[in-house]
Amino acid sequence: DVKVTQSSRYLVKRTGEKVFLECVQDMDHENMFWYRQDPGLGLRLIYFSYDVKMKEKGDIPEGYSVSREKKERFSLILESASTNQTSMYLCASSLRTGSRTQYFGPGTRLTVL
Amino acid sequence: DQQVKQNSPSLSVQEGRISILNCDYTNSMFDYFLWYKKYPAEGPTFLISISSIKDKNEDGRFTVFLNKSAKHLSLHIVPSQPGDSAVYFCAAGRFLNFGNEKLTFGTGTRLTIIP
Repeated sequence: DVKVTQSSRYLVKRTGEKVFLECVQDMDHENMFWYRQDPGLGLRLIYFSYDVKMKEKGDIPEGYSVSREKKERFSLILESASTNQTSMYLCASSLRTGSRTQYFGPGTRLTVL
Repeated sequence: DQQVKQNSPSLSVQEGRISILNCDYTNSMFDYFLWYKKYPAEGPTFLISISSIKDKNEDGRFTVFLNKSAKHLSLHIVPSQPGDSAVYFCAAGRFLNFGNEKLTFGTGTRLTIIP
Protein backbone atom coordinates (compact mmCIF):
# COMPACT_ATOMS: atom_id res chain seq x y z
CA ASP A 1 0.00 0.00 0.00
CA VAL A 2 1.08 3.51 -0.76
CA LYS A 3 1.86 5.50 2.30
CA VAL A 4 2.11 9.26 2.34
CA THR A 5 2.82 10.86 5.69
CA GLN A 6 2.79 14.49 6.75
CA SER A 7 4.80 15.81 9.65
CA SER A 8 1.93 17.33 11.61
CA ARG A 9 -1.83 16.87 11.71
CA TYR A 10 -2.46 20.22 13.39
CA LEU A 11 -0.27 23.31 13.51
CA VAL A 12 -0.81 26.78 14.99
CA LYS A 13 1.54 29.58 14.00
CA ARG A 14 1.76 33.35 14.36
CA THR A 15 1.60 35.84 11.51
CA GLY A 16 5.05 36.41 10.07
CA GLU A 17 6.50 33.09 11.20
CA LYS A 18 8.30 30.80 8.76
CA VAL A 19 6.45 27.50 8.49
CA PHE A 20 7.72 24.17 7.21
CA LEU A 21 5.35 21.37 6.21
CA GLU A 22 7.00 18.04 5.48
CA CYS A 23 5.73 15.18 3.35
CA VAL A 24 7.27 11.73 2.92
CA GLN A 25 6.15 8.91 0.64
CA ASP A 26 7.44 5.37 0.69
CA MET A 27 6.46 4.09 -2.77
CA ASP A 28 9.30 5.49 -4.84
CA HIS A 29 6.93 7.85 -6.68
CA GLU A 30 8.50 10.39 -9.00
CA ASN A 31 5.74 13.01 -8.71
CA MET A 32 4.82 14.86 -5.54
CA PHE A 33 2.24 17.59 -5.02
CA TRP A 34 1.10 20.15 -2.47
CA TYR A 35 -2.54 21.27 -2.36
CA ARG A 36 -4.64 23.37 -0.07
CA GLN A 37 -8.28 22.67 0.54
CA ASP A 38 -10.73 25.40 1.49
CA PRO A 39 -14.53 25.16 1.81
CA GLY A 40 -16.26 25.76 -1.50
CA LEU A 41 -12.98 25.92 -3.40
CA GLY A 42 -12.03 22.26 -3.61
CA LEU A 43 -8.38 21.27 -3.87
CA ARG A 44 -6.07 23.86 -5.34
CA LEU A 45 -2.56 22.98 -6.46
CA ILE A 46 0.21 25.04 -4.91
CA TYR A 47 3.37 23.39 -6.29
CA PHE A 48 4.42 20.06 -7.69
CA SER A 49 7.63 18.25 -8.42
CA TYR A 50 8.29 15.50 -10.96
CA ASP A 51 11.87 14.80 -9.93
CA VAL A 52 14.45 15.58 -7.29
CA LYS A 53 15.32 19.28 -7.25
CA MET A 54 12.62 19.97 -9.86
CA LYS A 55 9.58 22.07 -9.08
CA GLU A 56 6.70 23.56 -10.98
CA LYS A 57 4.24 26.22 -9.91
CA GLY A 58 0.67 25.18 -9.56
CA ASP A 59 -2.38 27.41 -9.61
CA ILE A 60 -1.74 29.36 -6.38
CA PRO A 61 2.03 29.48 -5.66
CA GLU A 62 2.15 33.01 -4.22
CA GLY A 63 3.43 33.10 -0.67
CA TYR A 64 4.80 29.55 -0.84
CA SER A 65 8.01 27.82 -1.84
CA VAL A 66 9.00 24.15 -1.97
CA SER A 67 12.04 21.96 -1.66
CA ARG A 68 12.73 18.47 -2.98
CA GLU A 69 16.21 17.32 -2.04
CA LYS A 70 15.36 13.61 -1.89
CA LYS A 71 12.93 11.59 -3.96
CA GLU A 72 10.77 10.58 -1.03
CA ARG A 73 10.49 14.00 0.63
CA PHE A 74 8.73 17.17 -0.50
CA SER A 75 8.60 20.23 1.75
CA LEU A 76 6.25 23.19 1.58
CA ILE A 77 7.53 26.45 3.04
CA LEU A 78 5.53 29.49 4.03
CA GLU A 79 8.19 32.20 4.17
CA SER A 80 6.07 34.60 6.23
CA ALA A 81 2.77 33.10 7.31
CA SER A 82 -0.37 35.18 6.95
CA THR A 83 -3.90 34.63 8.21
CA ASN A 84 -5.18 33.90 4.70
CA GLN A 85 -2.92 30.86 4.63
CA THR A 86 -5.02 29.21 7.32
CA SER A 87 -6.15 26.06 5.55
CA MET A 88 -5.93 22.29 5.23
CA TYR A 89 -2.72 21.36 3.41
CA LEU A 90 -2.58 18.07 1.54
CA CYS A 91 0.41 16.31 0.08
CA ALA A 92 0.11 13.69 -2.67
CA SER A 93 2.37 11.49 -4.76
CA SER A 94 2.06 9.52 -7.99
CA LEU A 95 4.04 7.52 -10.48
CA ARG A 96 5.33 9.23 -13.59
CA THR A 97 4.23 6.35 -15.84
CA GLY A 98 1.43 3.81 -15.77
CA SER A 99 -1.28 4.67 -13.30
CA ARG A 100 -1.16 8.38 -12.55
CA THR A 101 -3.44 8.05 -9.55
CA GLN A 102 -2.42 10.49 -6.86
CA TYR A 103 -2.28 9.17 -3.30
CA PHE A 104 -2.80 11.63 -0.50
CA GLY A 105 -1.46 12.06 2.98
CA PRO A 106 -3.75 12.73 5.96
CA GLY A 107 -3.39 16.50 5.72
CA THR A 108 -2.13 19.25 8.01
CA ARG A 109 -4.64 21.71 9.42
CA LEU A 110 -2.68 24.96 9.70
CA THR A 111 -4.04 27.89 11.65
CA VAL A 112 -2.25 31.23 11.41
CA LEU A 113 -3.15 33.68 14.17
CA ASP B 1 -11.50 29.37 -15.13
CA GLN B 2 -13.03 26.34 -13.47
CA GLN B 3 -12.31 23.50 -15.89
CA VAL B 4 -13.91 20.86 -13.68
CA LYS B 5 -17.22 21.66 -12.04
CA GLN B 6 -19.38 19.95 -9.49
CA ASN B 7 -22.53 22.01 -9.47
CA SER B 8 -24.19 20.32 -6.51
CA PRO B 9 -22.46 21.25 -3.26
CA SER B 10 -24.53 18.71 -1.34
CA LEU B 11 -26.72 15.65 -1.83
CA SER B 12 -28.81 13.58 0.58
CA VAL B 13 -29.82 10.02 -0.22
CA GLN B 14 -31.71 7.36 1.70
CA GLU B 15 -29.68 4.34 2.77
CA GLY B 16 -30.01 1.50 0.27
CA ARG B 17 -30.90 3.81 -2.62
CA ILE B 18 -28.65 4.92 -5.48
CA SER B 19 -26.43 7.98 -5.08
CA ILE B 20 -25.52 9.82 -8.27
CA LEU B 21 -22.81 12.45 -8.16
CA ASN B 22 -22.19 14.58 -11.22
CA CYS B 23 -19.22 16.37 -12.68
CA ASP B 24 -18.83 18.52 -15.80
CA TYR B 25 -15.63 19.57 -17.52
CA THR B 26 -14.75 22.04 -20.24
CA ASN B 27 -11.36 20.82 -21.51
CA SER B 28 -11.77 18.13 -24.16
CA MET B 29 -8.04 17.31 -23.88
CA PHE B 30 -8.39 15.51 -20.54
CA ASP B 31 -7.20 11.90 -20.83
CA TYR B 32 -8.47 10.41 -17.61
CA PHE B 33 -10.83 11.13 -14.76
CA LEU B 34 -10.87 10.10 -11.12
CA TRP B 35 -13.18 10.21 -8.14
CA TYR B 36 -11.90 10.73 -4.61
CA LYS B 37 -13.72 10.45 -1.31
CA LYS B 38 -12.78 12.60 1.67
CA TYR B 39 -13.77 12.31 5.30
CA PRO B 40 -13.31 15.33 7.60
CA ALA B 41 -9.75 15.81 8.88
CA GLU B 42 -8.41 13.12 6.52
CA GLY B 43 -6.76 13.16 3.11
CA PRO B 44 -8.77 12.19 0.02
CA THR B 45 -8.78 8.50 -0.83
CA PHE B 46 -8.89 7.27 -4.40
CA LEU B 47 -12.14 5.55 -5.36
CA ILE B 48 -12.30 4.83 -9.06
CA SER B 49 -10.96 6.14 -12.34
CA ILE B 50 -11.83 6.03 -16.03
CA SER B 51 -9.86 6.58 -19.18
CA SER B 52 -11.24 8.95 -21.78
CA ILE B 53 -11.42 6.07 -24.26
CA LYS B 54 -13.99 4.25 -22.13
CA ASP B 55 -17.53 5.15 -21.19
CA LYS B 56 -17.95 3.04 -18.08
CA ASN B 57 -15.88 1.56 -15.30
CA GLU B 58 -17.21 -0.49 -12.44
CA ASP B 59 -15.74 -1.49 -9.09
CA GLY B 60 -18.09 -3.14 -6.65
CA ARG B 61 -20.77 -0.67 -5.59
CA PHE B 62 -19.12 2.15 -7.53
CA THR B 63 -19.59 2.83 -11.23
CA VAL B 64 -18.28 5.81 -13.16
CA PHE B 65 -19.88 6.83 -16.43
CA LEU B 66 -18.25 9.13 -18.96
CA ASN B 67 -20.13 10.98 -21.68
CA LYS B 68 -17.45 12.67 -23.78
CA SER B 69 -19.82 14.43 -26.13
CA ALA B 70 -21.53 16.11 -23.18
CA LYS B 71 -18.24 16.51 -21.25
CA HIS B 72 -19.93 14.94 -18.27
CA LEU B 73 -19.10 12.18 -15.85
CA SER B 74 -21.04 10.69 -13.01
CA LEU B 75 -20.38 8.41 -10.07
CA HIS B 76 -23.08 5.93 -9.11
CA ILE B 77 -23.05 4.30 -5.70
CA VAL B 78 -25.49 1.47 -5.20
CA PRO B 79 -26.65 0.58 -2.68
CA SER B 80 -25.70 3.63 -0.62
CA GLN B 81 -24.44 2.97 2.89
CA PRO B 82 -23.98 5.27 5.90
CA GLY B 83 -20.19 4.98 5.55
CA ASP B 84 -20.48 6.59 2.13
CA SER B 85 -21.26 9.92 3.79
CA ALA B 86 -18.28 12.09 2.81
CA VAL B 87 -17.21 14.78 0.37
CA TYR B 88 -16.61 13.48 -3.14
CA PHE B 89 -14.23 15.19 -5.54
CA CYS B 90 -13.96 14.51 -9.23
CA ALA B 91 -10.63 15.21 -10.90
CA ALA B 92 -9.31 15.23 -14.45
CA GLY B 93 -5.81 14.85 -15.86
CA ARG B 94 -3.77 14.73 -19.02
CA PHE B 95 -0.88 12.51 -20.04
CA LEU B 96 2.06 14.83 -20.63
CA ASN B 97 5.74 14.42 -21.34
CA PHE B 98 8.06 13.41 -18.49
CA GLY B 99 5.09 12.63 -16.32
CA ASN B 100 4.84 16.35 -15.74
CA GLU B 101 1.18 16.13 -14.97
CA LYS B 102 -1.28 17.59 -12.60
CA LEU B 103 -4.89 16.95 -11.75
CA THR B 104 -7.64 19.52 -11.89
CA PHE B 105 -10.16 19.03 -9.12
CA GLY B 106 -13.79 19.99 -8.82
CA THR B 107 -15.08 21.81 -5.73
CA GLY B 108 -16.63 18.71 -4.21
CA THR B 109 -20.09 17.38 -3.35
CA ARG B 110 -20.99 16.52 0.23
CA LEU B 111 -22.97 13.28 0.24
CA THR B 112 -25.10 12.46 3.25
CA ILE B 113 -26.66 9.02 3.54
CA ILE B 114 -29.80 9.04 5.65
CA PRO B 115 -30.31 5.85 7.68
